Amino acid sequence: EAGVAQSPRYKIIEKRQSVAFWCNPISGHATLYWYQQILGQGPKLLIQFQNNGVVDDSQLPKDRFSAERLKGVDSTLKIQPAKLEDSAVYLCASSLEAGLDSPLHFGNGTRLTVT
Amino acid sequence: GENVEQHPSTLSVQEGDSAVIKCTYSDSASNYFPWYKQELGKRPQLIIDIRSNVGEKKDQRIAVTLNKTAKHFSLHITETQPEDSAVYFCAASYNAGNMLTFGGGTRLMVKP
Repeated sequence: EAGVAQSPRYKIIEKRQSVAFWCNPISGHATLYWYQQILGQGPKLLIQFQNNGVVDDSQLPKDRFSAERLKGVDSTLKIQPAKLEDSAVYLCASSLEAGLDSPLHFGNGTRLTVT
Repeated sequence: GENVEQHPSTLSVQEGDSAVIKCTYSDSASNYFPWYKQELGKRPQLIIDIRSNVGEKKDQRIAVTLNKTAKHFSLHITETQPEDSAVYFCAASYNAGNMLTFGGGTRLMVKP
């Protein structure tokens, strides 16, 4: 089974620039998540999709972050404009369904450095 | 919202010894508690999980215990090996979905 694919693997931008990350979940997984992992901390949920609908985006800084999953498969996460404190690893995860018997599978993440 | 505290932040053990990592959670509605292992530069990987209707679960050298009354759960690794060295994260969620809240992580170092 192919895992969760993310690109790019690394990204370096200057503050106030824009950046976008891409995620392709495991085939057939209806639920997709974006997590932010700041160095030395646990992952923090930014947004959860069920198919192409948003389940929870309460922790997404909507003034600068946006995410979409238009066809219920791939997803993109965008930051515009970036701030220094956005430097982190952005992890995408997917699960079969949003329920107790559907563990999360993580991608390798995109490491963002904002200078 | 849910808050998960994890201790210790770093743990160093000798190969063959046991390691214990503890987590507490705040939301009594949480009923799913997974543990993830993250090696340097790699993705978090699920190593074991426990649901609230179970007090203990074992998988070879790994076990997890849950005390719902006290709202804490622990990871136990026996006969530690150098390849167990990694950062371990606990997490909690409730029935609304897999919106996991993670602890701050424990860096486990197993000395050969």
